[in-house]
Amino acid sequence: DTGVSQDPRHKITKRGQNVTFRCDPISEHNRLYWYRQTLGQGPEFLTYFQNEAQLEKSRLLSDRFSAERPKGSFSTLEIQRTEQGDSAMYLCASSLASGDEQYFGPGTRLTVT
Amino acid sequence: GENVEQHPSTLSVQEGDSAVIKCTYSDSASNYFPWYKQELGKRPQLIIDIRSNVGEKKDQRIAVTLNKTAKHFSLHITETQPEDSAVYFCAASKANSGYALNFGKGTSLLVTP
Repeated sequence: DTGVSQDPRHKITKRGQNVTFRCDPISEHNRLYWYRQTLGQGPEFLTYFQNEAQLEKSRLLSDRFSAERPKGSFSTLEIQRTEQGDSAMYLCASSLASGDEQYFGPGTRLTVT
Repeated sequence: GENVEQHPSTLSVQEGDSAVIKCTYSDSASNYFPWYKQELGKRPQLIIDIRSNVGEKKDQRIAVTLNKTAKHFSLHITETQPEDSAVYFCAASKANSGYALNFGKGTSLLVTP
């Protein structure tokens, strides 16, 4: 499969628990982006990586959120002490280089109960 | 930060008619404007994009126009087909934000046979 993949596709967790999502970008894509999408809204930017370097974080990314891309390939997004307001679809996208088309993954749907 | 407004939020047309979706942006530094189509339960997919050095771009039944002075851009779909039914998102981005996409809220297009 040559597309962007994300795991898991669905996650249900209780408030206060920690969750971690994984994104595998298209091979050789240097840029990796995380977005969050709630029902009826457009995706909102969270953070992005150039290879292993995290270059920008949105103000939406509170201290409970952390993202890594340790070897410049896959990335993880962790949410600590989840809240109901964290319920959303978390989308990952990758691009070959800056300014190129961003290819989206299928997303991880998080439900916090 | 960048603010992208998108109108209308819903659009219903008959098969064969044209559909037009309009977006405005606030940051004059934005220079890359993609349009994504998202079918229910699916990932966003790029359908067309335009850069600020171009005023218009066309790809078969889809065209995008950009007016940098007025800071607005539009998506035009001609000869609509039922399979064009989806949510369409416009986005704006710029180099010094790593081309992180700022999306509009989306337009739900319904094409009736």
